[in-house]
Amino acid sequence: SQQGEEDPQALSIQEGENATMNCSYKTSINNLQWYRQNSGRGLVHLILIRSNEREKHSGRLRVTLDTSKKSSSLLITASRAADTASYFCATDDTGNQFYFGTGTSLTVIP
Amino acid sequence: KAGVTQTPRYLIKTRGQQVTLSCSPISGHRSVSWYQQTPGQGLQFLFEYFSETQRNKGNFPGRFSGRQFSNSRSEMNVSTLELGDSALYLCASNTQLNTGELFFGEGSRLTVL
Repeated sequence: SQQGEEDPQALSIQEGENATMNCSYKTSINNLQWYRQNSGRGLVHLILIRSNEREKHSGRLRVTLDTSKKSSSLLITASRAADTASYFCATDDTGNQFYFGTGTSLTVIP
Repeated sequence: KAGVTQTPRYLIKTRGQQVTLSCSPISGHRSVSWYQQTPGQGLQFLFEYFSETQRNKGNFPGRFSGRQFSNSRSEMNVSTLELGDSALYLCASNTQLNTGELFFGEGSRLTVL
């Protein structure tokens, strides 16, 4: 299975701190994406990084990709209570199928 | 532009029954995929449709089936429900063959008693 794995499974931080979560995957990919899910809701796309990119920014988000280590990290800077959610990485390969990890549950304490 | 719409949002069934879930993708999106989400298991891929054709299928038993109509709306069906089928079923659409950004619906939460 190419399913990714996020690490840590759960993360609790104070508002204003930075949150870092990691994703590892198993085989070659086209793209890697990060999604956010508020409790019991649908997933919302955050950012996509292509396999030939190493770093990408979007607002308070910074994503890195290391294809040699088959890993990615998502950094959320200056976290807010509204960032409390689960975060998933998703990879897609030439087989036109997405593979999601099991998620990191982030709690930001006001 | 309206988002992905899933119906029903919540439903309760008993073991042995069958259920049909519906998903209306964003207008113009021809790819629809389905996922099962259970606590601790993440999102498990069920199947993906493009232009009424099933392109990919996940590792689920034959009790799980789906289809896509000419207007890109999709349905999934689970027959002979088991307790373990209790989950949040998510539908996602995108413009291409399951590449690029996925747009998710709010999900259908199925409880099997």
